[in-house]
Amino acid sequence: DAGVIQSPRHEVTEMGQEVTLRCKPISGHNSLFWYRQTMMRGLELLIYFNNNVPIDDSGMPEDRFSAKMPNASFSTLKIQPSEPRDSAVYFCASRGDADTQYFGPGTRLTVL
Amino acid sequence: EDKVVQSPLSLVVHEGDTVTLNCSYEVTNFRSLLWYKQEKKAPTFLFMLTSSGIEKKSGRLSSILDKKELFSILNITATQTGDSAVYLCAVLTDSWGKLQFGAGTQVVVTP
Repeated sequence: DAGVIQSPRHEVTEMGQEVTLRCKPISGHNSLFWYRQTMMRGLELLIYFNNNVPIDDSGMPEDRFSAKMPNASFSTLKIQPSEPRDSAVYFCASRGDADTQYFGPGTRLTVL
Repeated sequence: EDKVVQSPLSLVVHEGDTVTLNCSYEVTNFRSLLWYKQEKKAPTFLFMLTSSGIEKKSGRLSSILDKKELFSILNITATQTGDSAVYLCAVLTDSWGKLQFGAGTQVVVTP
């Protein structure tokens, strides 16, 4: 099993630029979660999907953030425009029938 | 507002020591409690606890849940340097899999 796949692994961009993070969940998993992790705030849930439908986006910090899941094997998290305070590690996780979430390797985002 | 609180925030022990990590929670809807280990990468799953008083064990790690007092503990016996990590506690709060994470406990095991 390939596990959850995220790309890119590292992203460095300048303030104001658009950033798109990508995630491929584990095949057969029907729930997908986007998290952000910083030293100050720990691991925060941003949004999650079930069967490609967004269930709860209350963790999305503001309108600059958006997420989509066009099919069962792909999701994106977009930040437009990006700001330095968005610098963090962004994790995607997926879950099958059991309650365990499996995390991808993360994308380390730096906004200059 | 759902809360998961872990203690201590960090600790340093010598190889061979026993470590006990605490996780308390206040949530509207409790389904289960999960422990994850995070080294310098993604969190990896350790245990899921649903019932009170039943110990889960994996090698030198063990965990137990008390649903009456709303807490869980994670024990690591005979610690090794490879146990150095952040240990995260999370509570599952809905049927779709929403997890509320604590801030984590950083464990450093010195040789």
